[in-house]
Amino acid sequence: NAGVMQNPRHLVRRRGQEARLRCSPMKGHSHVYWYRQLPEEGLKFMVYLQKENIIDESGMPKERFSAEFPKEGPSILRIQQVVRGDSAAYFCASSPLDSFNSPLHFGNGTRLTVT
Amino acid sequence: DAKTTQPPSMDCAEGRAANLPCNHSTISGNEYVYWYRQIHSQGPQYIIHGLKNNETNEMASLIITEDRKSSTLILPHATLRDTAVYYCIVRVNTNAGKSTFGDGTTLTVKP
Repeated sequence: NAGVMQNPRHLVRRRGQEARLRCSPMKGHSHVYWYRQLPEEGLKFMVYLQKENIIDESGMPKERFSAEFPKEGPSILRIQQVVRGDSAAYFCASSPLDSFNSPLHFGNGTRLTVT
Repeated sequence: DAKTTQPPSMDCAEGRAANLPCNHSTISGNEYVYWYRQIHSQGPQYIIHGLKNNETNEMASLIITEDRKSSTLILPHATLRDTAVYYCIVRVNTNAGKSTFGDGTTLTVKP
């Protein structure tokens, strides 16, 4: 039973380019969460999605960032016109339910480096 | 969600029990206590969670005080691979992912 899969593991982009991060949740999980972790800092919530719907994007910057979770395929976190401050580890988590009795399962992240 | 307080760091000898405390004095009656850990460069790993009863699984035990204002995660026989940052969070709301991951406790297991 595969866990949460994120790819690529490492991504290098020049300033101004676009970054696309993909997340395939665990089988049977329809809730996906994205986090950002800056070096030496904790995890910061960005966005929560269910299939085809954004439920809560209160942690995501209003400019340049977008997320989707289509009916078919992985969830995508897109960062347009990247800047050096976007360099971070981006983690995705999934759960089968949105319940306080349902733990999150995390992927191993995508490390974005902006040069 | 209730705020949690954890010591920034702890050491433990290999083979000994590691007891990691967490204060959550503002916890509400329907908030669960969750523990995760993050080993360097990896994604956080779920360990255990509970509401008011003590819980045990293959990884750890969770002891929650009767007033639920604090809890302790116990790793019964710590190994070097248990060196990680341990996060205690409490959760009540929908949007499970919005729970705040604070700074956690950095546990160092020493040979």
